[in-house]
Amino acid sequence: DGGITQSPKYLFRKEGQNVTLSCEQNLNHDAMYWYRQDPGQGLRLIYYSQIVNDFQKGDIAEGYSVSREKKESFPLTVTSAQKNPTAFYLCASSMTWSSNEKLFFGSGTQLSVL
Amino acid sequence: SQQGEEDPQALSIQEGENATMNCSYKTSINNLQWYRQNSGRGLVHLILIRSNEREKHSGRLRVTLDTSKKSSSLLITASRAADTASYYCATSGVGNTGKLIFGQGTTLQVKP
Repeated sequence: DGGITQSPKYLFRKEGQNVTLSCEQNLNHDAMYWYRQDPGQGLRLIYYSQIVNDFQKGDIAEGYSVSREKKESFPLTVTSAQKNPTAFYLCASSMTWSSNEKLFFGSGTQLSVL
Repeated sequence: SQQGEEDPQALSIQEGENATMNCSYKTSINNLQWYRQNSGRGLVHLILIRSNEREKHSGRLRVTLDTSKKSSSLLITASRAADTASYYCATSGVGNTGKLIFGQGTTLQVKP
């Protein structure tokens, strides 16, 4: 089955710890995205990648980092600098970086602070 | 930055009734998309309407777009309990290719 796989589904972070959320797609899509969702709110863009080996900051990039070394993978690291990391994190991809493309989403990772 | 604002925030109806959700946005757009999210899951794309289109249909879904009022509506006809979910509009601004800005969503509950 083609799609986007996020892991783990639940993740707990201790104070001062960096954690990495995995996102893998087998759709052969060029563009990938990370969104953060807080309860009762919409999605806010953290980082995006138009193509492999490229990524750009979104609206709330502070305290996060990403890499795009492989086309199918776009991991997100939540660093200790992110003081309020508890949220639902969604990874998405689209065929190309274009306003006419629809996004395909993974099932999300719920990150909580211990 | 949040571009879309949705109204109402929550909607509760009986099975078989129609559900209408509205989305307003602030700046000019290339297109507007609607997504659905079941609780604790990822979003699923429903429909895309371009800025030069006024209405679009997909099964029981009808989307309208009024660029003069900077607003869109999503109508779900003959709703089913399985339609219970949150619905989000997302806009792609002129020049911001690929970058979607999501609204805060409408939570729909369809009672059997």
